[in-house]
Amino acid sequence: AQSVSQHNHHVILSEAASLELGCNYSYGGTVNLFWYVQYPGQHLQLLLKYFSGDPLVKGIKGFEAEFIKSKFSFNLRKPSVQWSDTAEYFCAVNAASGNTGKLIFGQGTTLQVKP
Amino acid sequence: DGGITQSPKYLFRKEGQNVTLSCEQNLNHDAMYWYRQDPGQGLRLIYYSQIVNDFQKGDIAEGYSVSREKKESFPLTVTSAQKNPTAFYLCASSIDPGTGRHGYTFGSGTRLTVV
Repeated sequence: AQSVSQHNHHVILSEAASLELGCNYSYGGTVNLFWYVQYPGQHLQLLLKYFSGDPLVKGIKGFEAEFIKSKFSFNLRKPSVQWSDTAEYFCAVNAASGNTGKLIFGQGTTLQVKP
Repeated sequence: DGGITQSPKYLFRKEGQNVTLSCEQNLNHDAMYWYRQDPGQGLRLIYYSQIVNDFQKGDIAEGYSVSREKKESFPLTVTSAQKNPTAFYLCASSIDPGTGRHGYTFGSGTRLTVV
């Protein structure tokens, strides 16, 4: 069965610090990978996604993620965080073919950025 | 604007009562999903539907029921059989569940509390 593991449950950073949130998945076939963000009081929105091509993908608000197939990882990065990045971040995966589109989510990482 | 509307935003239920959470989308998406979000557990799939008049159980379907009589509507009923219903419920839809590449559009959620 597919599963997604996010290593950091709660991260606290100061503004301008660099961010890396870990995400590993378990699945034997080809996958699509996603990072979603949930700002306080807002609905989940897509940060970025990968399904083929360049394993380094860029998303909104300066975020990027790198797919490393050999490590089953899809870590999220941002060179310099802002206070407005305070949110909960979810990594998700689905099968790339023959699937129902259903996403499997990680446990989430709460990021708190101190001004 | 196209999107997903969930109502109500907050819902209080007495023990032993059934309650129904509404989810409506005007995106013309075929697939719709219900997730439950609990702190530290991420999002877990309750039910999903890829087409009108058809739906499948997700990972935690016990104590829940759904219907899909119209493409734009996918209501979730939390029955009295659900042992721990207090949670945040999220509805989502997908334009392309076959490849899974587009991910989801999410509603703003319903917070259900059992009193």
